[in-house]
Amino acid sequence: DQQVKQNSPSLSVQEGRISILNCDYTNSMFDYFLWYKKYPAEGPTFLISISSIKDKNEDGRFTVFLNKSAKHLSLHIVPSQPGDSAVYFCAASKTGTYKYIFGTGTRLKVLA
Amino acid sequence: DAGITQSPRHKVTETGTPVTLRCHQTENHRYMYWYRQDPGHGLRLIHYSYGVKDTDKGEVSDGYSVSRSKTEDFLLTLESATSSQTSVYFCAISLEGRDTQYFGPGTRLTVL
Repeated sequence: DQQVKQNSPSLSVQEGRISILNCDYTNSMFDYFLWYKKYPAEGPTFLISISSIKDKNEDGRFTVFLNKSAKHLSLHIVPSQPGDSAVYFCAASKTGTYKYIFGTGTRLKVLA
Repeated sequence: DAGITQSPRHKVTETGTPVTLRCHQTENHRYMYWYRQDPGHGLRLIHYSYGVKDTDKGEVSDGYSVSRSKTEDFLLTLESATSSQTSVYFCAISLEGRDTQYFGPGTRLTVL
């Protein structure tokens, strides 16, 4: 039972354009969400987070949107750069737990 | 760099042999986690610890045990390795349970 789903295994985008990565969750108790970026042969690195009391959080080129009614979040990268090429994971957590549930990841390729 | 090291970084072993992976942190963070990453499954939690000698199971704990005798070290043991445990293993730490998790560089384990 996959509680956090990233239905697009891969995505290709031209440099300078917007990249939109999507994540869906099934557990309505989840109230905190993270995005991680992972390069080959390295550990995941934290990118951006959002609490369920917000519907948007922005950090430079990265913006995360949360739609609680649809149980959906998305990560927007604008403008996309070749260095953004990586696997992106979303993760979700609920109050009172000490752990996150991760999605299966989306491989982003930014074409120069 | 969150001060997390994993050892060994690569290991090849045979079915039925015991294997211990080590995670070491210099941050004095309370929470430590072991994940495995497999194609199509993303990151799955094996075990986690919320203090010295305090551990709990994650979603894929069968065949694994953990120990935490010191704040800085979290050991993952495969008592009798199987080919299905071939994977990349990541350790993560967080100051508090709901905080951002910081990941180590990973250990690639191959069980023949």
